[in-house]
Amino acid sequence: DAKTTQPPSMDCAEGRAANLPCNHSTISGNEYVYWYRQIHSQGPQYIIHGLKNNETNEMASLIITEDRKSSTLILPHATLRDTAVYYCIVRLMKTSYDKVIFGPGTSLSVIP
Amino acid sequence: GAGVSQSPSNKVTEKGKDVELRCDPISGHTALYWYRQSLGQGLEFLIYFQGNSAPDKSGLPSDRFSAERTGGSVSTLTIQRTQQEDSAVYLCASSLNRGEQFFGPGTRLTVL
Repeated sequence: DAKTTQPPSMDCAEGRAANLPCNHSTISGNEYVYWYRQIHSQGPQYIIHGLKNNETNEMASLIITEDRKSSTLILPHATLRDTAVYYCIVRLMKTSYDKVIFGPGTSLSVIP
Repeated sequence: GAGVSQSPSNKVTEKGKDVELRCDPISGHTALYWYRQSLGQGLEFLIYFQGNSAPDKSGLPSDRFSAERTGGSVSTLTIQRTQQEDSAVYLCASSLNRGEQFFGPGTRLTVL
């Protein structure tokens, strides 16, 4: 079973920041938080990941709470092309095992 | 470089027939995953291959489903005696050393 919970849907005005929350209250110390998104009719696309520290790349920022029980994906200036389903997952990356389970995700609609 | 490829892109079959879906992962990627996505649903984990280890088949929905990964590269997902509820998009992903997953475009299977 997926170990994360996300709101099923969100709206965001074009040009504004989109803040997508994720709860992972049972996360263990060696599990990473990953974010992917899936634009309609395409395969999922990697966005960002982190362990403890906040992370930023050209696509987004990831804010992880100090207790690591929740995180927020931030798209700083949402565009219409950011309309997609966003998946938050936790991964336990042992040396020989990396089973990745996706939850239902959050459907983000960017509104003109 | 080439990404993950899948073939065929679309497959229409009659109930009761067997189908084979193929995945060519990114060269050198050690991990390979199969997922299924029914219309409007999230990604359902099916099976995971890691190097030469025995695959994790815990997500396969029935014994009609099987998968192989030959030579640590190409993978084939076989569905025997297809049923209408098998209709879905079948997605393959690969990753290197437990890094980000790269997804293929998927195979859309329709069972009539």
